[in-house]
Amino acid sequence: GENVEQHPSTLSVQEGDSAVIKCTYSDSASNYFPWYKQELGKRPQLIIDIRSNVGEKKDQRIAVTLNKTAKHFSLHITETQPEDSAVYFCAATTHNDMRFGAGTRLTVKP
Amino acid sequence: DAGITQSPRHKVTETGTPVTLRCHQTENHRYMYWYRQDPGHGLRLIHYSYGVKDTDKGEVSDGYSVSRSKTEDFLLTLESATSSQTSVYFCAISKGTDVKGEQFFGPGTRLTVL
Repeated sequence: GENVEQHPSTLSVQEGDSAVIKCTYSDSASNYFPWYKQELGKRPQLIIDIRSNVGEKKDQRIAVTLNKTAKHFSLHITETQPEDSAVYFCAATTHNDMRFGAGTRLTVKP
Repeated sequence: DAGITQSPRHKVTETGTPVTLRCHQTENHRYMYWYRQDPGHGLRLIHYSYGVKDTDKGEVSDGYSVSRSKTEDFLLTLESATSSQTSVYFCAISKGTDVKGEQFFGPGTRLTVL
């Protein structure tokens, strides 16, 4: 089955800096890659997603890039703010299920 | 919140007892999912449903069963709870027309098995 690895597990940045989280997947048939943000004690919330026919997608300060050949995709957050502090999960979907990475705890220091 | 509720929100039970968690949606979506979330593992799919009485296993289905007798309700049952099933359980729905659509999560149920 699909295996998704996510790095780093923790990331600390200064407010205003950029943050990058990377994920790799194993199944070349995967074609949908969402990113979720989860604040402490809350449900995961979809923040951005990309499909395999697209190489990059942006939404204000958030962008996702996909390299199908290398089977990796990344989340980029620019001009980070303290409210960006949360756990971020990547996922890859193939056939009938969605596999998640183990998560990255992002801390933005004011 | 995509009209998803879960009940109960918290439960403490003893090893060997049966437990049923309920997921309810108000928007008539076809696909529903049950995940468990544990530290270091992210979210792992237990079972999912693609219609009334249509269900399939996910990555970690052992020890769990599901039922979907109505579009709006998806039940997760632990026939005989074990301490390894202590976790936070999330229900999700997909707004897409296939299983690869965007998924939206319920508020979660924290289950403790003593």
